[in-house]
Amino acid sequence: AQSVTQLGSHVSVSEGALVLLRCNYSSSVPPYLFWYVQYPNQGLQLLLKYTTGATLVKGINGFEAEFKKSETSFHLTKPSAHMSDAAEYFCAVSGNSGNTPLVFGKGTRLSVIA
Amino acid sequence: DAGVIQSPRHEVTEMGQEVTLRCKPISGHDYLFWYRQTMMRGLELLIYFNNNVPIDDSGMPEDRFSAKMPNASFSTLKIQPSEPRDSAVYFCASRGTGGNQPQHFGDGTRLSIL
Repeated sequence: AQSVTQLGSHVSVSEGALVLLRCNYSSSVPPYLFWYVQYPNQGLQLLLKYTTGATLVKGINGFEAEFKKSETSFHLTKPSAHMSDAAEYFCAVSGNSGNTPLVFGKGTRLSVIA
Repeated sequence: DAGVIQSPRHEVTEMGQEVTLRCKPISGHDYLFWYRQTMMRGLELLIYFNNNVPIDDSGMPEDRFSAKMPNASFSTLKIQPSEPRDSAVYFCASRGTGGNQPQHFGDGTRLSIL
């Protein structure tokens, strides 16, 4: 069965510091992987996705993630945090077939300290 | 392009009343999902449809909850009778065919049952 583990329910960084949000997955089939961001009082918004091809994926707002099959990881990074990055971040893996929903992690709340 | 549209954005009602949440998916998407989000339980999948047919409703918490999709451009989630523990943010999402397709979320309905 598919599953996602996000290490750290809450991560706090200083403005300008590196952002690293961890995601590990379990999948019985080659996975498609996604990161979503949720700002207060909004829905989940797609940040980036990995389907096939290049394992380093760039998304919106300067975020990127690298698919590492050997480590079953898809960590999200951003070189320099901005106050506007404060939000909840969700990692998700595709279901075990193209007909099933995404499986989401429990989310990581990112705080950015001035 | 119009995204997933949910209405109302906010709903406050008294216990025992019927509540109807509405969703218009992105045109051309053949999957529709209903989620509930609370602080305690996080993001929960309630039910999803494919081509207007309910595929999995195992996440629906009780018989008080029901969902319909009468056509490709409209879905409802109904709670009757409502209870205070139903207070949450309810999200609708839609997706095209294929596990590599991301789910697109609406802005949600914030439901408060007094």
